[in-house]
Amino acid sequence: DQQVKQNSPSLSVQEGRISILNCDYTNSMFDYFLWYKKYPAEGPTFLISISSIKDKNEDGRFTVFLNKSAKHLSLHIVPSQPGDSAVYFCAASSNSGYALNFGKGTSLLVTP
Amino acid sequence: AAGVIQSPRHLIKEKRETATLKCYPIPRHDTVYWYQQGPGQDPQFLISFYEKMQSDKGSIPDRFSAQQFSDYHSELNMSSLELGDSALYFCASSGSGGADTQYFGPGTRLTVL
Repeated sequence: DQQVKQNSPSLSVQEGRISILNCDYTNSMFDYFLWYKKYPAEGPTFLISISSIKDKNEDGRFTVFLNKSAKHLSLHIVPSQPGDSAVYFCAASSNSGYALNFGKGTSLLVTP
Repeated sequence: AAGVIQSPRHLIKEKRETATLKCYPIPRHDTVYWYQQGPGQDPQFLISFYEKMQSDKGSIPDRFSAQQFSDYHSELNMSSLELGDSALYFCASSGSGGADTQYFGPGTRLTVL
């Protein structure tokens, strides 16, 4: 049962524009959310996280928004750069065990 | 900064053989997690350890076992390998008993022939 869902398998954005990656979750016990970036043949690289007590967290070009009532979060990348092209995984955990539940990923392609 | 180290990076085994994957966490991290990522799939949590004790268990087959040692490194032992065990195996580590962000290693690609 997929508790974290990324419904867009792929996204193509022009360099300099905003990339918006979406993620939905079903488990109301989740209280910590993360975004990881992954290149082929490498491990996931941590990008940004947000606790359920916040609705926004910003780090440079990356901003994560959390809407708890809708069980939805999104990652905004502004401005997008060709080096951002990768697979982005949304992940969630609860403080009952900390194991991460991943979405299936969104492949982002930033074109020059 | 030091990262999570996994060895070997690639492993090829025959069906019914055994395999051992190793993970060396980031220094001062006390918690280790193992995840399995099949082709085209998202990473699935297998098992975790905190201070050498199993802290959580996911979808780990009974043929697999794991442990964490006194130096905090962890080993995932896989026996009676099946074709379906072919996957990327990631180790992640975190501090504060797992409450901190998990940082992933580069993974071990296991191919079972």
